[in-house]
Amino acid sequence: EPEVTQTPSHQVTQMGQEVILRCVPISNHLYFYWYRQILGQKVEFLVSFYNNEISEKSEIFDDQFSVERPDGSNFTLKIRSTKLEDSAMYFCASSWGLDQVDTQYFGPGTRLTVL
Amino acid sequence: RKEVEQDPGPFNVPEGATVAFNCTYSNSASQSFFWYRQDCRKEPKLLMSVYSSGNEDGRFTAQLNRASQYISLLIRDSKLSDSATYLCVVNLSNYQLIWGAGTKLIIKP
Repeated sequence: EPEVTQTPSHQVTQMGQEVILRCVPISNHLYFYWYRQILGQKVEFLVSFYNNEISEKSEIFDDQFSVERPDGSNFTLKIRSTKLEDSAMYFCASSWGLDQVDTQYFGPGTRLTVL
Repeated sequence: RKEVEQDPGPFNVPEGATVAFNCTYSNSASQSFFWYRQDCRKEPKLLMSVYSSGNEDGRFTAQLNRASQYISLLIRDSKLSDSATYLCVVNLSNYQLIWGAGTKLIIKP
């Protein structure tokens, strides 16, 4: 069964450093998403991406965040200058379409720890 | 008011029992509805979509009440492997899923 993969599984960084989280969505999917989940809290939408541009973003997704699809397979989330409060689990997801039947499939997540 | 509200639990239920969760959502423009399941420190996985007519998948039944803006999930004949956090999710727009904080379920032998 095809799956979304994410690397690394755990990233530890110093406050102020840049991090890039990587995702490989399911190959025939067209829509890509990033979510985050702070430990013990709910999943929060960050951004959606379609046709090489951002479709929608939340208030969390400020100028410190950016996304890119550098090639035909990877989808990345960059945090330019990490803050302590960026520590969370970051999930990538992808879907074929937007209808209810088009399930968003989630990757296993990257745990980001900012020290 | 929270956009998607759930009882955090935990619900401690003996194996074989029936358990039900409810979820309320605030935005009447919400378009589609889902139940996801999340195991500890794992990614969310879709359990089932929720349709207006109600739908069933094996031991799981989901219902939607648009007038009252709530969604329910019923689990019959619960198994130890059903222990997880159940997340109520609402699709507010075409792209954005809004998540409840989840209801923790613990099935005891």
